[in-house]
Amino acid sequence: DTEVTQTPKHLVMGMTNKKSLKCEQHMGHRAMYWYKQKAKKPPELMFVYSYEKLSINESVPSRFSPECPNSSLLNLHLHALQPEDSALYLCASSQVSEGAGGSTDTQYFGPGTRLTVL
Amino acid sequence: GQSLEQPSEVTAVEGAIVQINCTYQTSGFYGLSWYQQHDGGAPTFLSYNALDGLEETGRFSSFLSRSDSYGYLLLQELQMKDSASYFCAVRGMDSNYQLIWGAGTKLIIKP
Repeated sequence: DTEVTQTPKHLVMGMTNKKSLKCEQHMGHRAMYWYKQKAKKPPELMFVYSYEKLSINESVPSRFSPECPNSSLLNLHLHALQPEDSALYLCASSQVSEGAGGSTDTQYFGPGTRLTVL
Repeated sequence: GQSLEQPSEVTAVEGAIVQINCTYQTSGFYGLSWYQQHDGGAPTFLSYNALDGLEETGRFSSFLSRSDSYGYLLLQELQMKDSASYFCAVRGMDSNYQLIWGAGTKLIIKP
């Protein structure tokens, strides 16, 4: 199984709402990522979890709150978002290797959640 | 800083061969990756070059030359379904996880 699943596929929310994005993988990968992607741009890294611990937080505003309940699941909690946060939110996973292993260069992406903030 | 440059758009004819270049300025990296992304879809890993030279996977090949700070993705026997955006990416030696992405090349294939 080389699939990363994400729910929901689409989400429309107001600026006062609280919602969560969910991601799941069963490939035994111990690194999981959240990316944000705007149209015609490359993915922009938000968070990395390695062995269920937050490894990288790319100075993301606190209205985005990640959570990694176990090695297969990754959530992104959203609260008080702004219209400029509208984007495609991608979850990815990879094996963990340090140095020149290359495993973390091979990332498997889920289909994404298309988020619109009104 | 570290940056990767790709052409913003490339046009080719169905059945032909096309090369998408990626030039980079980086102090050091582990390898060069290529990802494909169709409109409305998610990035899909295509290939990884850790060493200089050519890696072949079916109709797709990828090349890396560290001495020339240059790599490319070669697509042969183009099919309409190859119309997509293609991103090159590298992982710097100061990170186990973070990829530095090029801006992407939109490949347009005409019949």
